[in-house]
Formats: sequence, C-alpha cells, structure tokens
Amino acid sequence: SQELEQSPQSLIVQEGKNLTINCTSSKTLYGLYWYKQKYGEGLIFLMMLQKGGEEKSHEKITAKLDEKKQQSSLHITASQPSHAGIYLCGAVNSNSGYALNFGKGTSLLVTP
Amino acid sequence: SAVISQKPSRDICQRGTSLTIQCQVDSQVTMMFWYRQQPGQSLTLIATANQGSEATYESGFVIDKFPISRPNLTFSTLTVSNMSPEDSSIYLCSVEDSGHLDPSEAFFGQGTRLTVV
Repeated sequence: SQELEQSPQSLIVQEGKNLTINCTSSKTLYGLYWYKQKYGEGLIFLMMLQKGGEEKSHEKITAKLDEKKQQSSLHITASQPSHAGIYLCGAVNSNSGYALNFGKGTSLLVTP
Repeated sequence: SAVISQKPSRDICQRGTSLTIQCQVDSQVTMMFWYRQQPGQSLTLIATANQGSEATYESGFVIDKFPISRPNLTFSTLTVSNMSPEDSSIYLCSVEDSGHLDPSEAFFGQGTRLTVV
C-alpha cells in the first residue's frame, strides 16, 4: 500500500518567515492533494497536482510535484498567523476509487 | 467546487448508543467517501459509498459497526453503532467532484466531532 511521509511533523515560525513542508510517497503519485485543517474542523482544499514538474500557486502558497512524481513540497512565503493549522498531503488510493491516503500532517504555528 | 454540509457538527453520546451522521452535497456526485480521524492522527478511509449499491468497506471496518446509506447522488449517511469511547473521533465525508477517470478535486465536509462518554 502507498505510504505518505510528511516532514517536518511540526513547525513554529515567526510571522513573515518562509517555510516548506515536504510530502514523500513510497509509490508514484497519480494525484497529490494538499489540504489545510484547523483544529477539530474539516479540510480546506488547497491544491491538486498531477503532472511531474507541475507547480501551482494560490496567494502566498506554492506547491510543486517533482519530475519523478514521488515527492511534493508546499511553500509558504511571508507567513502570517492565518496560515496556522495542520497541513495534510493526500494521494489517490487506486484500490478505493478516488479515495485518498493521507500523510500524518504537519502542524504549523506562526508567532507574532 | 462542491459544497458539502455535514450534520451534526459535534455530539457527545453515551456508550452503547448509535449516532447517524448526514452528508448533503449541493450537486450530484458519483463517489462519496467516509473517513475517520482519531485524536492526533491523520485521516483513515472507512468506506466508499456508491449510489445504488452497498458501500465498500476498508480493512478494519465492518458494515454492522458503520452502516452507510446512499439513497441518491447528493446524500449519504454514516451510522456509528454501539459506540464506545474508542469511537471518539472526527468523522468526515468527502466527494470526488467528477465522474471522470482522472483524479479531480476532492472536497470535504466540515466534519462531525464525536465524543463518546
């Protein structure tokens, strides 16, 4: 089965600093999703990457999928307190239709 | 993008009772999924709910414990039966917003935060 490893597990950054979260798959990725979750709430869809080398941006968040399609990174520029939360990467589980396997998440705290 | 309404948003239940969680989508979707997120953990797929057929359960989850209904293309329910404290989790429904073969956007409801006492 496919496993997704996220790093780091948690991150504390000062407001205004840049940061990167990584997601590494044990198998080739056919669809890689990034979500943000506030504590105890649902998941907010950020981006989906499918093609090797693909890069997408939304506001100050940029996600990339490497050429070999086994690793993705999420980069936040000039972080703000509103960026705080848990970031989850998910990958299509080909054995369950289009359900997703998820990494364990990266907890981000942005301090003033 | 699909808009998903999940109810209730949270509940505190007595052990041994059952809770039914509802998931309503604002558009017709082929595939709906139910996930569980135990405290401090990531999401685990419970089952895939397809309209007109029985749900497909993942390893470790059984229909008697988590019966699912999918009466139409916009609605599904998940029941957590005979609850114990170990069932305390966030339960989330998700939809895949396309009937196409290629992966497409996958959206989630706001979750149901269940506490069993």
